Amino acid sequence: AQKITQTQPGMFVQEKEAVTLDCTYDTSDQSYGLFWYKQPSSGEMIFLIYQGSYDEQNATEGRYSLNFQKARKSANLVISASQLGDSAMYFCAMREGYTGFQKLVFGTGTRLLVSP
Amino acid sequence: AAGVIQSPRHLIKEKRETATLKCYPIPRHDTVYWYQQGPGQDPQFLISFYEKMQSDKGSIPDRFSAQQFSDYHSELNMSSLELGDSALYFCASRLTAGGANVLTFGAGSRLTVL
Repeated sequence: AQKITQTQPGMFVQEKEAVTLDCTYDTSDQSYGLFWYKQPSSGEMIFLIYQGSYDEQNATEGRYSLNFQKARKSANLVISASQLGDSAMYFCAMREGYTGFQKLVFGTGTRLLVSP
Repeated sequence: AAGVIQSPRHLIKEKRETATLKCYPIPRHDTVYWYQQGPGQDPQFLISFYEKMQSDKGSIPDRFSAQQFSDYHSELNMSSLELGDSALYFCASRLTAGGANVLTFGAGSRLTVL
């Protein structure tokens, strides 16, 4: 079974608008972490935001916020005031378990295109 | 701030050749992860090391091996290369002992097998 599901292969948004990228996950662990990474066309993987399963508040990092709905097992990324430089591939990822060296499992990604 | 350094950034090899990718984690990070990302694919976990010992193994082919050295740098060795090995290979590091959550990725090494 897929651990991380990103159902939007591609998304379009106009500059300065907000956009939501969907992510649902599947785990039986009580402790886990959810991550969003951005991959521009140059290829590097850039960390955006992290949400722990026990965090009561939604994570925010500048223009990025994570809409965490634990009961629905969703961790959507919201980008406010989109910029042209936001055009990239966005991956949702999960780490199961509390601590330790557990790996990240990635979703298939959503390609975001920001138009002027 | 120091980042994860990967070398070489680009590598072109022929089928059946060998290749070695190197990764220098962020100083004091104790865990290294290797991922493979094929064209248009999501990153797939290969192998990880914690304090120089293998900590987890994913979908790494038997033709591949990896190790972490005393200075914490890691090398991914790939032998009998196949066309399907063409991919972007990422190394990531993390300070597990410090309870850090985030894996910091390097810029990747792009391997092309002809």
